[in-house]
Amino acid sequence: NAGVTQTPKFQVLKTGQSMTLQCAQDMNHEYMSWYRQDPGMGLRLIHYSVGAGITDQGEVPNGYNVSRSTTEDFPLRLLSAAPSQTSVYFCASSYLTSGPDDEQFFGPGTRLTVL
Amino acid sequence: KQEVTQIPAALSVPEGENLVLNCSFTDSAIYNLQWFRQDPGKGLTSLLLIQSSQREQTSGRLNASLDKSSGRSTLYIAASQPGDSATYLCAVEMDSNYQLIWGAGTKLIIKP
Repeated sequence: NAGVTQTPKFQVLKTGQSMTLQCAQDMNHEYMSWYRQDPGMGLRLIHYSVGAGITDQGEVPNGYNVSRSTTEDFPLRLLSAAPSQTSVYFCASSYLTSGPDDEQFFGPGTRLTVL
Repeated sequence: KQEVTQIPAALSVPEGENLVLNCSFTDSAIYNLQWFRQDPGKGLTSLLLIQSSQREQTSGRLNASLDKSSGRSTLYIAASQPGDSATYLCAVEMDSNYQLIWGAGTKLIIKP
């Protein structure tokens, strides 16, 4: 059971380049999400999904796209990277339940620098 | 709009002390509150989850309390150890929508 995995761990992009951050989970969780973490701020939700084929926007979706073709995978695409997207990106997953199993599991993060 | 605040931003205490980390939120209509630990360069690990109907949760040396009416939660760490050094974050979930609203965290340093 690998939990939530993210690749790559580090990435440097030039302004205008595009790339995809990968996220996968092997816990059969319905809910998956992407957050970004900036210094001195709390994590902010970018996009989320409640199941395969279903995605929705979070607090800061501009400049990012997602898709959910399978339960396991939830890639985050940067369409045209900007320096403001320099951040640490976390993927999380959980069951769609109500109660003690609401715990969300996080990946190790991807540290992205846009020059 | 829900806002989550953690004060202080950083805390340094000698090993062995009991300590309390604070989390406050502006909208008391939360679904649950979670405490997480983040080690440098690593992901987040869930420590405790308190449902809105609960007052506290315990796990080992950790105890988290929730007072919805006052918009406050505390994380109590007993007999602190150097291995407890990390950043502790709290997050609230509103209306069972699975979206977490985060505090900026408290960076805790336990001095041997």
